[in-house]
Amino acid sequence: DARVTQTPRDKVTEMGQEVTMRCQPILGHNTVFWYRQTMMQGLELLAYFRNRAPLDDSGMPKDRFSAEMPDATLATLKIQPSEPRDSAVYFCASGLGGGGTEAFFGQGTRLTVV
Amino acid sequence: GQNIDQPTEMTATEGAIVQINCTYQTSGFNGLFWYQQHAGEAPTFLSYNVLDGLEEKGRFSSFLSRSKGYSYLLLKELQMKDSASYLCAADNAGNMLTFGGGTRLMVKP
Repeated sequence: DARVTQTPRDKVTEMGQEVTMRCQPILGHNTVFWYRQTMMQGLELLAYFRNRAPLDDSGMPKDRFSAEMPDATLATLKIQPSEPRDSAVYFCASGLGGGGTEAFFGQGTRLTVV
Repeated sequence: GQNIDQPTEMTATEGAIVQINCTYQTSGFNGLFWYQQHAGEAPTFLSYNVLDGLEEKGRFSSFLSRSKGYSYLLLKELQMKDSASYLCAADNAGNMLTFGGGTRLMVKP
């Protein structure tokens, strides 16, 4: 069945290392979201793509975070260098776009930076 | 800016009814989503309201008042499996989804 796939599911890394998270949206979906979830902040929108073009990344720390869609089947979120405060669950979601269409979430990547 | 508020935690008894409120102040508002998230899992879609009024879907109903910037999720005949976080999200200009902090619901026997 169609689902959003995220890899890796879990990642433990040392401070200062580069981390890349990948997301395969549901085939045919033209909208991709990246969210970060922590106990303190809830679900924060980091970046938002429509037809592979970034529409909004105002929630993303630009100095260390970058998000791209090299093609319609792959979205990436990169952190370089990583810091302990980046520890969170990162969710990717995709949708068909247009008002009222739901976003389907992947299972998330649990990132721990030590 | 975007501001979405909901209570942090609620507790209810199995078989009862619970109402989870959400207030929002956003620009370019299109509609209001409710998602359910069990611990350690991804959020899953529950409902979407674009018009004022109540939308009923089985044990779950969702209400929207656009003039008041207010929505609620009503859960009837509560079951233990309904223990989860419930997230309201505003569908904004450009169909960008902005979430509230979530309400953690604990259902007790």
